[in-house]
Amino acid sequence: QKEVEQNSGPLSVPEGAIASLNCTYSDRGSQSFFWYRQYSGKSPELIMFIYSNGDKEDGRFTAQLNKASQYVSLLIRDSQPSDSATYLCAVSSGAGSYQLTFGKGTKLSVIP
Amino acid sequence: DGGITQSPKYLFRKEGQNVTLSCEQNLNHDAMYWYRQDPGQGLRLIYYSQIVNDFQKGDIAEGYSVSREKKESFPLTVTSAQKNPTAFYLCASSTTHRGLVGYTFGSGTRLTVV
Repeated sequence: QKEVEQNSGPLSVPEGAIASLNCTYSDRGSQSFFWYRQYSGKSPELIMFIYSNGDKEDGRFTAQLNKASQYVSLLIRDSQPSDSATYLCAVSSGAGSYQLTFGKGTKLSVIP
Repeated sequence: DGGITQSPKYLFRKEGQNVTLSCEQNLNHDAMYWYRQDPGQGLRLIYYSQIVNDFQKGDIAEGYSVSREKKESFPLTVTSAQKNPTAFYLCASSTTHRGLVGYTFGSGTRLTVV
């Protein structure tokens, strides 16, 4: 069974700090990795995806992937109260698969 | 604009009643999914379909049924056999491009048993 593990939190960081969210996955054949943000009562929205080892930056967000360690992370720089949400890590096995496997999410609270 | 439409946004079910949640997409995506989310929990897969007239059970299919008669539509019926149906239900569709999976979520239906 493919598994995606995240620390459920809550993770509390002060405004302006760096928030670090982590995710591990069990399927070594996984090929692409996604971070979704979900506000309470809303549907998830895609904020980052990554498929190569290393870092990928988009504004205040940086996704980091280490396939050897089966580890993916999301860094949020200059955290804002509006970043307070649950962050879901999702993994695709690729090879023609349409389906993502989701972690349970990490709840982030940014304290003003 | 393309997207996924879920309806209704809120739904109330009496004990012993079947209810159907609607999900329609105009993205021309082949695959569609139903997830259930409970407070503080992640997404749990109920059913998915990768092609018209075919669907597969997910992790928590008991008490639910689906159909996929058209590419655009994937309705979910919550039957009376589902003993704890109060939850937030999300529909999604997906496609692949150069090996990358693109998921689109609907806005969700919140089902409450009264």
